[in-house]
Amino acid sequence: DQQVKQNSPSLSVQEGRISILNCDYTNSMFDYFLWYKKYPAEGPTFLISISSIKDKNEDGRFTVFLNKSAKHLSLHIVPSQPGDSAVYFCAASAMDSSYKLIFGSGTRLLVRP
Amino acid sequence: EAQVTQNPRYLITVTGKKLTVTCSQNMNHEYMSWYRQDPGLGLRQIYYSMNVEVTDKGDVPEGYKVSRKEKRNFPLILESPSPNQTSLYFCASSKVVASGNYEQYFGPGTRLTVT
Repeated sequence: DQQVKQNSPSLSVQEGRISILNCDYTNSMFDYFLWYKKYPAEGPTFLISISSIKDKNEDGRFTVFLNKSAKHLSLHIVPSQPGDSAVYFCAASAMDSSYKLIFGSGTRLLVRP
Repeated sequence: EAQVTQNPRYLITVTGKKLTVTCSQNMNHEYMSWYRQDPGLGLRQIYYSMNVEVTDKGDVPEGYKVSRKEKRNFPLILESPSPNQTSLYFCASSKVVASGNYEQYFGPGTRLTVT
């Protein structure tokens, strides 16, 4: 039973447009959420995070939105650039085990020039 | 440069032949962990370590062992590899951020094939 789900295996977006990557979770104890980006032949790298006390966190072109009632979060990339093409993983942790991250299965983003 | 290193990066081996994948970090992090990545399943935690000589099972520990004799090193041991352990493996170390949560830094990965 996957506690963190990324239902879209892939997404294709035109350069300059908005990319929206979605993530759903089932465990109501999750209180910290992260997005990681992964290029081929490299390890995942931390992108942005959000605590459950917030509903939005922004860092440059990247914004993460959290809807606790729907147990849903999304990553917005505006404007999308070809260098953003990668696999994006959503991850979550719970307060009583904050060291343990549960990952989604990833979404492959392709930004077309 | 702050980093997590893994060796080897690629390994092809045969069933039953013991192997060790090394992991080292230079950030003085206390927490380290191992993950495997499989298609459609994301990253699943194999083992983790909260500090030297403190290790515990993750979600998929069967067939693996770890040790943490020094803070910087966290090797993953497959005593008798089997084909279902063919996967992409990542080591990670974590720092605690202001909120008390952990942000993990990953190594470049080790692609293991067991025939």
